[in-house]
Amino acid sequence: DAGVIQSPRHEVTEMGQEVTLRCKPISGHNSLFWYRQTMMRGLELLIYFNNNVPIDDSGMPEDRFSAKMPNASFSTLKIQPSEPRDSAVYFCASSSRTRAKNIQYFGAGTRLSVL
Amino acid sequence: AQSVSQHNHHVILSEAASLELGCNYSYGGTVNLFWYVQYPGQHLQLLLKYFSGDPLVKGIKGFEAEFIKSKFSFNLRKPSVQWSDTAEYFCAVSPNRDDKIIFGKGTRLHILP
Repeated sequence: DAGVIQSPRHEVTEMGQEVTLRCKPISGHNSLFWYRQTMMRGLELLIYFNNNVPIDDSGMPEDRFSAKMPNASFSTLKIQPSEPRDSAVYFCASSSRTRAKNIQYFGAGTRLSVL
Repeated sequence: AQSVSQHNHHVILSEAASLELGCNYSYGGTVNLFWYVQYPGQHLQLLLKYFSGDPLVKGIKGFEAEFIKSKFSFNLRKPSVQWSDTAEYFCAVSPNRDDKIIFGKGTRLHILP
């Protein structure tokens, strides 16, 4: 299995620009999670999907953040417009309740820098 | 609300020292318990897990953890640490019927060579 795949690995952008982060979960997993990690706030859950449906988006910081999961093998996290305080590492993780009892497998992350 | 508390934010040890990282959670029902490790510059990886059965679980790289239900604790241990164990360690809890995992704030472990 290829694991959770995230792209890009690094993104540098200027304040006000739109940023799109991508995630491909492990095949057969039905839950997908987006996390943000910073030194100050640690690891925060932003949103998660179950069977492509958003279940809990209470961690999404504000309306500038949106996430979609159009099918079982792809999800995006979009920030529009981006701000310097959005600089962080964004992780995607996937899990399967039936196959592996909710063990979450993480992607390598996208390191976002907003200048 | 469910929460996970890790007792130490930063731990510094010398090689060959013994390690114990504390973790307590607040949830009254049946839970699944995890320890994840994040090596510098890398993503989180599963170190070990507890679902049911023997409360003493063994993971990779010589780590083990003990689930004490009466204390709502799941402490991580290793008898002799190595420099390569330098990493951040996250305790996590998932209510048995939930897809979400609640992570603690992490403990940064630094091993002196």
